[in-house]
Amino acid sequence: AQSVSQHNHHVILSEAASLELGCNYSYGGTVNLFWYVQYPGQHLQLLLKYFSGDPLVKGIKGFEAEFIKSKFSFNLRKPSVQWSDTAEYFCAVNADSGYSTLTFGKGTMLLVSP
Amino acid sequence: DSGVTQTPKHLITATGQRVTLRCSPRSGDLSVYWYQQSLDQGLQFLIQYYNGEERAKGNILERFSAQQFPDLHSELNLSSLELGDSALYFCASSVRDTAYNEQFFGPGTRLTVL
Repeated sequence: AQSVSQHNHHVILSEAASLELGCNYSYGGTVNLFWYVQYPGQHLQLLLKYFSGDPLVKGIKGFEAEFIKSKFSFNLRKPSVQWSDTAEYFCAVNADSGYSTLTFGKGTMLLVSP
Repeated sequence: DSGVTQTPKHLITATGQRVTLRCSPRSGDLSVYWYQQSLDQGLQFLIQYYNGEERAKGNILERFSAQQFPDLHSELNLSSLELGDSALYFCASSVRDTAYNEQFFGPGTRLTVL
């Protein structure tokens, strides 16, 4: 079974700092990769996704992620964070096995101070 | 608002009791997923239904069961509740049963078992 690990449980940044959240997965086959975000008091929503093609994918709100197959990684980045990016971020994997279910990491809580 | 609704928002009950959580998917979505989010386990997939049929099972306890009705709403039944069942239970829906269709999450039901 696949698993997902997110390196940091909590990250604190100042506005305008750059962000990189780590995500590694364990699965030897083809995967589909996702980042979800949960803003305070809101539901989870999709930030970006990777299925195939260009390993650098762009999502909403200026976020991007890079799939590095050799490292089993799918790190999330943003060049300059804003206070409104304060949220919990979840990396998720779907093993391309015909099922659509997602395996989530435990999440990273990002706090951006103004 | 994702279009997925869950009721109730909060539920407080005692050990040994049974509760039912309800989820209404987005209009037109055939697939419903249930997830459990707890501090120690993170966000874990429980079970998926597609057009009324069970499609995939994750880490769902035998004390838990679910079903999807002809109108596509779903219910998650939790019985013989234990303190450790206290968690946030999310429902998600997608149009079809592929990873290429985004899963839209509801606001969750917070279950507290005393």
